[in-house]
Amino acid sequence: AQTVTQSQPEMSVQEAETVTLSCTYDTSENNYYLFWYKQPPSRQMILVIRQEAYKQQNATENRFSVNFQKAAKSFSLKISDSQLGDTAMYFCAFDQGAQKLVFGQGTRLTINP
Amino acid sequence: GAVVSQHPSWVICKSGTSVKIECRSLDFQATTMFWYRQFPKQSLMLMATSNEGSKATYEQGVEKDKFLINHASLTLSTLTVTSAHPEDSSFYICSARTGQGLEETQYFGPGTRLLVL
Repeated sequence: AQTVTQSQPEMSVQEAETVTLSCTYDTSENNYYLFWYKQPPSRQMILVIRQEAYKQQNATENRFSVNFQKAAKSFSLKISDSQLGDTAMYFCAFDQGAQKLVFGQGTRLTINP
Repeated sequence: GAVVSQHPSWVICKSGTSVKIECRSLDFQATTMFWYRQFPKQSLMLMATSNEGSKATYEQGVEKDKFLINHASLTLSTLTVTSAHPEDSSFYICSARTGQGLEETQYFGPGTRLLVL
């Protein structure tokens, strides 16, 4: 079974700093999708970014980018110029097929003013 | 963007009663919806996959007779927690899948907080 591991339970940075959240996963599949979701205090899950495993180019969405290392099974999220509104739980997720998502344990990110 | 709603947003019930939670895709049709459960300060755990017009597929360890799922239309799936007990208290989140192929995306509802007394 696929597993997703987020080794950082909590992180805290100052506003405008850059922060990187780590995620590793385990799978024997070759083609798959990876996601980062954000869950703010409202608890609404919001898609931040997605990565197709067959693409070598790292996905980017404005201030959010990933460092996808397929061989190492690593999928980290970098948030540049962090903002107060980025404060949330961040979940890394693996699509094990038919969009059945397996989530990591989450990283609680706090952006301090 | 695609919007998924859930109703109610929170519910308190007595032990032994049944509770129904609705999940609706507001501006798109979803042949597949998913139900997750999230305990406080924990991650989301997939409970079941709900397919329109067919029986739901439950994940290992999830009691299908306890958590009844009905996907009656392309925009509505319901989760009924039967004979609820305090240990069923949790945050229940649904999601709906839209798009095709590489554009396939899963959108989440705002969640339903269930407290069983």
